[in-house]
Amino acid sequence: QSALTQPASVSGSPGQSITISCTGTSSDVGGYNYVSWYQQHPGEAPKLMIYDVSNRPSGVSNRFSGSKSGNTASLTISGLQAEDEADYYCSSYTSSSTRVFGGGTKLTVL
Amino acid sequence: QVQQVESGGGLVKPGGSLRLSCAVSTFTFSDYYMSWIRQAPGKGLEWVSYISTSGSTIYYADSVKGRFTISRDNAKNSLYLQMNSLRVEDTAVYYCARGKYSSGYWGQGTLVTVSS
Repeated sequence: QSALTQPASVSGSPGQSITISCTGTSSDVGGYNYVSWYQQHPGEAPKLMIYDVSNRPSGVSNRFSGSKSGNTASLTISGLQAEDEADYYCSSYTSSSTRVFGGGTKLTVL
Repeated sequence: QVQQVESGGGLVKPGGSLRLSCAVSTFTFSDYYMSWIRQAPGKGLEWVSYISTSGSTIYYADSVKGRFTISRDNAKNSLYLQMNSLRVEDTAVYYCARGKYSSGYWGQGTLVTVSS
């Protein structure tokens, strides 16, 4: 199972909006509404930010939103804040009943 | 506050074995699928395996199939990962995480280092 494709890095200024893409195939992202997104700060465990494409767990800011079109899912962060600087990973369920992660995207808040 | 505590990591030689444990408190362990996810030093996340609530459904990543075995003991609220024939490329922090399609609760991870 090949990893999902994410940009290695994205950046934005405080208050701006950024979008991170996550591209897979019809056997994973495009085939199921089981895309999730994780935020990871250095030295910490990942934190679930979005599940089932566009749902936010309790306690996650509404500045974080998810969507999907075809084989590409997206995470949008609006009103960027300094604490949003972190690594972000997407994940999808697959047709093999397994899961696959993206390679990760480093978000820099300028 | 959900708590999951992994243990059992350490330094092992290539070809060796280790058994990881994950002790869960404060949620009904038997109600949830559980997963193992790992992260090599400086690298991204890699899904390893998941197990159903009863233990009857199990899936593995191709990279560990035939070498790793996931199991659970609902009476002890514990998840396990038996790792055999370890390779240098298995070096990683191993996390236990709740869920099958997504992982909402993670432990702090346990470091496994495979080196001669």
